Amino acid sequence: DTGVSQDPRHKITKRGQNVTFRCDPISEHNRLYWYRQTLGQGPEFLTYFQNEAQLEKSRLLSDRFSAERPKGSFSTLEIQRTEQGDSAMYLCASSLAYNQPQHFGDGTRLSIL
Amino acid sequence: AQSVTQLGSHVSVSEGALVLLRCNYSSSVPPYLFWYVQYPNQGLQLLLKYTTGATLVKGINGFEAEFKKSETSFHLTKPSAHMSDAAEYFCAVSETGNQFYFGTGTSLTVIP
Repeated sequence: DTGVSQDPRHKITKRGQNVTFRCDPISEHNRLYWYRQTLGQGPEFLTYFQNEAQLEKSRLLSDRFSAERPKGSFSTLEIQRTEQGDSAMYLCASSLAYNQPQHFGDGTRLSIL
Repeated sequence: AQSVTQLGSHVSVSEGALVLLRCNYSSSVPPYLFWYVQYPNQGLQLLLKYTTGATLVKGINGFEAEFKKSETSFHLTKPSAHMSDAAEYFCAVSETGNQFYFGTGTSLTVIP
């Protein structure tokens, strides 16, 4: 169990640029989740995958946000045309099944200049 | 609709004193309930979970929580605080086990 890995740990970019984050879940975990966490708040659910199928994406913050998990292993979260308000910690988590605890990565901190 | 309310955004206790972190939830069905801990610049780590069965749940590091349906509560306790317990604590609820809703967190300070 190597844990959930997220890359990069920090991303600084200019407003208007596109960014992509990667998440590698625990290898046997079928479920993968993305969250956003802003300062002083709890994680806010964005989307989740069961293997390669994205089962819920209505909570993605806008159409600038998209996520993929093409082979049911790693996942990417992309934010297009970044805005100041996108500055946050983006957390990835994985779990074995639908009601099982989620294991979180250490997150990617996004800063928009 | 599912939601979690954590009363007290900041809690301070003396080392060795009882820790009590409050969590109330809203759910239309029997929920799954979780407590997580987060240290600075890290992800969340599971402390304990309630799915079904025994209402008193024991977790790691001496923490436990009791599910009280009548009070819609899932408060986290630890008999004796340790300096290493200083962190942010989050309660989470899920009705389906698919989408999870987190509270705004409680920052625990342990005073030596």
